[in-house]
Amino acid sequence: GDSVTQMEGPVTLSEEAFLTINCTYTATGYPSLFWYVQYPGEGLQLLLKATKADDKGSNKGFEATYRKETTSFHLEKGSVQVSDSAVYFCALYYNHLSGGGADGLTFGKGTHLIIQP
Amino acid sequence: DARVTQTPRHKVTEMGQEVTMRCQPILGHNTVFWYRQTMMQGLELLAYFRNRAPLDDSGMPKDRFSAEMPDATLATLKIQPSEPRDSAVYFCASGSNWVTEAFFGQGTRLTVV
Repeated sequence: GDSVTQMEGPVTLSEEAFLTINCTYTATGYPSLFWYVQYPGEGLQLLLKATKADDKGSNKGFEATYRKETTSFHLEKGSVQVSDSAVYFCALYYNHLSGGGADGLTFGKGTHLIIQP
Repeated sequence: DARVTQTPRHKVTEMGQEVTMRCQPILGHNTVFWYRQTMMQGLELLAYFRNRAPLDDSGMPKDRFSAEMPDATLATLKIQPSEPRDSAVYFCASGSNWVTEAFFGQGTRLTVV
């Protein structure tokens, strides 16, 4: 079935450092890909998304590119801030209705990011 | 400001009691997800509805969990009887037909003692 693998955390960086959080996926079709962010005590919020190969999603200085050839959607940011400390989830969605099988958003296990001043 | 509303935000109950969690999806959204989040398992999909019909509830323990959508503005997740291993944060999310984005509620933190 569909699955998402992302790097284990916690990831600890200093303020203004470069961030990469790796995400790879397995899917039977061509899914849409998402990064969600969860701040303490809150639900998940969509950070960015990409719906087809070579699309680049970007928001708040974060970006990720949908790479079909490597089945990856790595999250990057050039200069992180303390306020970026949160848990980041990579996810995919593939509508199987036309081809059968399970449906729904599939999430990775999350990467806890800690940014130190 | 459209948002998914979940009630209650926190629930502490004794083992064996019935627990009902409620979710009001964003008006106009026809897709509703229920997820459970724990440290060990991360986010697990429990059930998934489209146009109020269950499409996938394979992630839900059928003997004690049930999910329904009595109408388009309300989704419920019920546990009967509850057990300590059910302690987790339960999230509801809603989206449009092709799920270009899923909007999450703030979750219900359930503690079963």
